[in-house]
Amino acid sequence: EAGVTQFPSHSVIEKGQTVTLRCDPISGHDNLYWYRRVMGKEIKFLLHFVKESKQDESGMPNNRFLAERTGGTYSTLKVQPAELEDSGVYFCASSQRGLAGEYEQFFGPGTRLTVL
Amino acid sequence: KNQVEQSPQSLIILEGKNCTLQCNYTVSPFSNLRWYKQDTGRGPVSLTIMTFSENTKSNGRYTATLDADTKQSSLHITASQLSDSASYICVVENTGTASKLTFGTGTRLQVTL
Repeated sequence: EAGVTQFPSHSVIEKGQTVTLRCDPISGHDNLYWYRRVMGKEIKFLLHFVKESKQDESGMPNNRFLAERTGGTYSTLKVQPAELEDSGVYFCASSQRGLAGEYEQFFGPGTRLTVL
Repeated sequence: KNQVEQSPQSLIILEGKNCTLQCNYTVSPFSNLRWYKQDTGRGPVSLTIMTFSENTKSNGRYTATLDADTKQSSLHITASQLSDSASYICVVENTGTASKLTFGTGTRLQVTL
């Protein structure tokens, strides 16, 4: 079974440009999450989809970030316009509900974004 | 404020030795605590998930403990191998909000010959 995949693995863009990150969750997983790790800091939650609906987007930094999950399958995270502080590693994860109610999340390899 | 603190920040041990990593958290209300292993350039991989009622859980050479009263957890690695070299991240999930995770900054473990 394929795991969570993310594209691209690396992206280097200039300040002011637009970048779109893509995440393909594990097939059949209704829950999809975006996280970000900036250098030297812990991984932080950005938002959570249940199928195509945004369940929680309280971690989105500002309105330059737009996440979509049309059709409830893959998701995209667009940053427009990118700023220097957006640099970091963006992780996607997906899950289904576990037997005890906990959601085990499976992470993708991440997209390393560098804004120059 | 929900926080997860880990210690030590980094650790170097010889192959075959044991080690214990620590995690303290202030996340509330508590749902479960997870330990993840993250190899360089890869996403985190789940090692254990413990709910409130569990105080220990093992996954091969990895054993996690949880004291929900003191809000502390540990991850013990037995007979370390070179492949154990990675970052180990403690993560706590709170209830109420659907599956929001709070991450620690991780312990960077290096196993050497």
